[in-house]
Formats: sequence, structure tokens, C-alpha cells
Amino acid sequence: SAVISQKPSRDICQRGTSLTIQCQVDSQVTMMFWYRQQPGQSLTLIATANQGSEATYESGFVIDKFPISRPNLTFSTLTVSNMSPEDSSIYLCSVGLGTYEQYFGPGTRLTVT
Amino acid sequence: AQSVTQPDIHITVSEGASLELRCNYSYGATPYLFWYVQSPGQGLQLLLKYFSGDTLVQGIKGFEAEFKRSQSSFNLRKPSVHWSDAAEYFCAVGAGGDYKLSFGAGTTVTVRA
Repeated sequence: SAVISQKPSRDICQRGTSLTIQCQVDSQVTMMFWYRQQPGQSLTLIATANQGSEATYESGFVIDKFPISRPNLTFSTLTVSNMSPEDSSIYLCSVGLGTYEQYFGPGTRLTVT
Repeated sequence: AQSVTQPDIHITVSEGASLELRCNYSYGATPYLFWYVQSPGQGLQLLLKYFSGDTLVQGIKGFEAEFKRSQSSFNLRKPSVHWSDAAEYFCAVGAGGDYKLSFGAGTTVTVRA
């Protein structure tokens, strides 16, 4: 397994601003994923962030809105840019340990006013 | 298209009673199967997983799940629930070689005294 931390745990932001979410893992992992969980909903994959390559975005998500960095094997950031109230969600990072097994961080609860 | 279905949106169960949560999937081959639990305000915790072999798998917190190929199902069970089992439960499936997971819509479990 892996221990994953996220910062911040929650934030309230004004529309039009940007927020960067950090994800730190206690061991080196190749695969990291970013998800969005809208209120009362399931998880939707935003992108896959593998170290050494550009992030791969899912349909409906674009780099200009959700830029991702993956500078090393233990850290990644997701930025939510030019926020609107529709971006209010929980954002979760996870790490993949092969064979599809993923471990999740505690999430960042974002409210946009 | 690949899909994961959790037919029950909400289940209420008495403390000490048994619990069964249903999960059906639609994939071409036997996928990798997972159950996760999300307590209020928390991230996702992996309860158990099935890759191959024995179709009855044991997980943490007293949960077990049974893979039935003929029914394309992976149902989660617990013989006797505790108040702390109140949470959101997600079935997840991985297949296709990209290491991404598809999540069901989730089942909310309420435990009454």
C-alpha cells in the first residue's frame, strides 16, 4: 500500500481565481491519478500523471483548466484554474501500484463562491 | 462499452444485521475488481480486490466479496454490520491494460440502532 497526503484539505475560493492542490506519496510510484467527485456523485477521472511524461487527460477535461505537474516519483500537483461554482467538488489523487490497484489520498474539498 | 452498475443507491440496515451490496459489470474479459469505502469527509479506502483464483475474497473490516463470472457480478457482504460501517461504498473495475479504474455510482449505507 501507500500513504498519501493532500494539501490543502479544504478551501473556499472566489470565482476567477486558481487553486493548486498538492499530492505527496510516501514511496516512489510511477502512476498517479487525479479525480473529481462532485457533491453526491461518484468519482470521475480527470487525468493520469505518470512521471516523465505529459499528463493524459480524459474526455471533458483540458490542460488549460486543470494543469498538472509531476516533477518526481513522489509528488504531483493539480491546479484548478479560473474557477467557477461548478468546480466545487472534492479532488482526489491516487497512486497506482500495478494491476489496477489504487490507493487514495484524503481529498481536497473545494468550494467556489 | 465498459460499465459498472451498483443497482442500490441507498440501503438502510439495522446494526448487527447482514449487509449485501450489489455490483455488476460489463466487460469483455474478466476484469480486476475492487470495493472501496468512503466515510464522510474522507478519501477512499480499499476494502478488497479480486484478480484471479478463489472467487470468494476476504477483505478488511470483516467484509467479503464473491465473484460470479456467469452473472458478471462482484457483490460485497458483511455478516453483521456495526454503526461505523455507515458510509458510501464504491465498486470499481479495471480492464484494458491502461491501469485506469471505472467506478460505479456508489451505494450509501445507513446503519440504524
